[in-house]
Amino acid sequence: QAQLLESGPGLVKPSDTLSLTCTVSGSSISSTNWWGWIRQPPGKGLEWIGHIYYFGTTYYNPSLRSRVTLSVDTSKNQFSLKLTSVTAVDTAVYYCARNGGGYAFDIWGQGTVVTVSS
Amino acid sequence: QSALTQPPSASGSPGQSVTVSCTGTSSDVGNYDYVSWYQQHPGKAPKLMIYAVNKRPSGVPDRFSGAKSGNTASLTVSGLQAEDEADYYCSSYAGSNNLLFGGGTKLTVL
Repeated sequence: QAQLLESGPGLVKPSDTLSLTCTVSGSSISSTNWWGWIRQPPGKGLEWIGHIYYFGTTYYNPSLRSRVTLSVDTSKNQFSLKLTSVTAVDTAVYYCARNGGGYAFDIWGQGTVVTVSS
Repeated sequence: QSALTQPPSASGSPGQSVTVSCTGTSSDVGNYDYVSWYQQHPGKAPKLMIYAVNKRPSGVPDRFSGAKSGNTASLTVSGLQAEDEADYYCSSYAGSNNLLFGGGTKLTVL
């Protein structure tokens, strides 16, 4: 059973770049078509950020496309998120998740809290 | 693209059934059989409960069922139990490799 774990700074300054990594254990990252990022602002709902195929093709939420970059490192069994020019509205719990088929996320990381503040 | 529409809250007594709706458009819910439902307890990561409109992952009780009619999908929880109290989110494929989530419904077991 695959397990996912997000890692990265919990505090990011406004206008800086938010960088997170998701490490996959218990399964090869190449064994699943694609992997995704989802975020949840405090007290609010879920927002799809984007997803990346293990061979590198990416798809982004149109509302974030200009600021988001996803990448994958199959040698490390990791995939990553970069979000540029962050503001307070980017404060959220960020989750990485596995596509289980049918555009559904069947395995999620525990989530990591990212606060944007000076 | 706008978020899918869910009622903010729903409730039911133990043993009863409750249905949560998720309304989209003909470009998402109405056009694809890729509706998923997630359960989220406070402080926890979401858990997949239903995928492809009405399929249950292994380990999810058959008290949880999904359906779709036109642009509206629904999640029904039968035989409500205390542990079903949680937030529920729907999600739908919206074409061109885009995904949408609903705003979430807080289910209270009275």
